[in-house]
Amino acid sequence: DIQMTQSPSSLSASVGDRVTITCRASQDIRNDLVWYQQKPGKAPKRLISGASSLQSGVPSRFSGSGSGTEFTLTISSLQPEDFATYYCLQHHDYPWMFGQGTKVEIK
Amino acid sequence: EVQLLESGGGLVQPGGSLRLSCAVSGFIFSNYAMSWVRQAPGKGLEWVSIIYSGGGAYYAASVKGRFTVSRDNSRSTMYLQMNSLRAEDTAVYYCAKLTGWLDPWGQGTLVTVSS
Repeated sequence: DIQMTQSPSSLSASVGDRVTITCRASQDIRNDLVWYQQKPGKAPKRLISGASSLQSGVPSRFSGSGSGTEFTLTISSLQPEDFATYYCLQHHDYPWMFGQGTKVEIK
Repeated sequence: EVQLLESGGGLVQPGGSLRLSCAVSGFIFSNYAMSWVRQAPGKGLEWVSIIYSGGGAYYAASVKGRFTVSRDNSRSTMYLQMNSLRAEDTAVYYCAKLTGWLDPWGQGTLVTVSS
């Protein structure tokens, strides 16, 4: 099975900060990676698919990069509405696997 | 507008069974694969299963042999039959449409396994 290691598990940041979250796959998953944002009590919302393609309507301060085994989600300037938990998901092979999540909190 | 509505959650004793439903509207259900994802209280997301339009299915190791996913294209509904339930199956269960990735998702239904 492909394992996904997401880091950090949590971080504290201020509005305007640049934030980077990483997911590492245990084997090559090409670009079969999606990033989701989840707020408390809500279903996850897709931000990025294909590792780097921004979902329509998602602010351009979000970006994704990477291919193969290492992937990054970057928020260029953190906004108050971005405080949430972020997950990566590999859909390259079964069983699909989410990263453990990164909780972005207010500093 | 695409909508997904889960139902069937509730309280069940360990070893018991429950069937979840995911009713959809706003798209041609029979053309799409559908998936279940769960989230234990205060925990992360866990992919559970997927069923393709032709009926082929895959499962997470944690539920294989206990859970069965199915679909009724005439009713635009996906099901998750959950047997031999354990305390660790307690979670909000979401259904999601597969469009290359999981999106959109329903609002979830809570399953609590407890005596």
